[in-house]
Amino acid sequence: LAKTTQPISMDSYEGQEVNITCSHNNIATNDYITWYQQFPSQGPRFIIQGYKTKVTNEVASLFIPADRKSSTLSLPRVSLSDTAVYYCLVGDDDYKLSFGAGTTVTVRA
Amino acid sequence: SAVISQKPSRDICQRGTSLTIQCQVDSQVTMMFWYRQQPGQSLTLIATANQGSEATYESGFVIDKFPISRPNLTFSTLTVSNMSPEDSSIYLCSVERDSNEQFFGPGTRLTVL
Repeated sequence: LAKTTQPISMDSYEGQEVNITCSHNNIATNDYITWYQQFPSQGPRFIIQGYKTKVTNEVASLFIPADRKSSTLSLPRVSLSDTAVYYCLVGDDDYKLSFGAGTTVTVRA
Repeated sequence: SAVISQKPSRDICQRGTSLTIQCQVDSQVTMMFWYRQQPGQSLTLIATANQGSEATYESGFVIDKFPISRPNLTFSTLTVSNMSPEDSSIYLCSVERDSNEQFFGPGTRLTVL
């Protein structure tokens, strides 16, 4: 499983865009990039997944450059309720999730 | 999606005892997973539980300490045996769906005194 590196924490304000970059230099050809969100006292929740270029859903966008050695999760116009830990995971279809340390995003009013 | 419930939601146990955690899913799933999240830490996969076969344990976890049952496609249990304070953690189950997306239960917060 590819190792990932993320910033430990990020601070933002309501209404701003938050971009979290994850490094995964040894990503394999078959690996997907997946992001999860975890609120205190809850299990992680799937946000978005991608393989290359750009993926967008109702919650976030995921930008993946051509070399796939990094990816950026973009949260548009964050609110206080977006305060959480965000995990970047890289893996193939063997279903095993390897969670790194995650990024604690704190949104302030 | 999948709706997952866990019992108990939390417990305080004495050293040397065992606790069995239940995980119930609202639909049939092939693969279920058990994770541990120690205080302030990330999640660590304990084992993968498939119905009809022995659970597959990750490095550092053994069946004698964390026996797992998977009697059907909607239910699994994880037992934390002969507990010590180092076992104090949140234990979470998850299920895999066709979209490579995992759904997690709310977790069981265990404190061992």
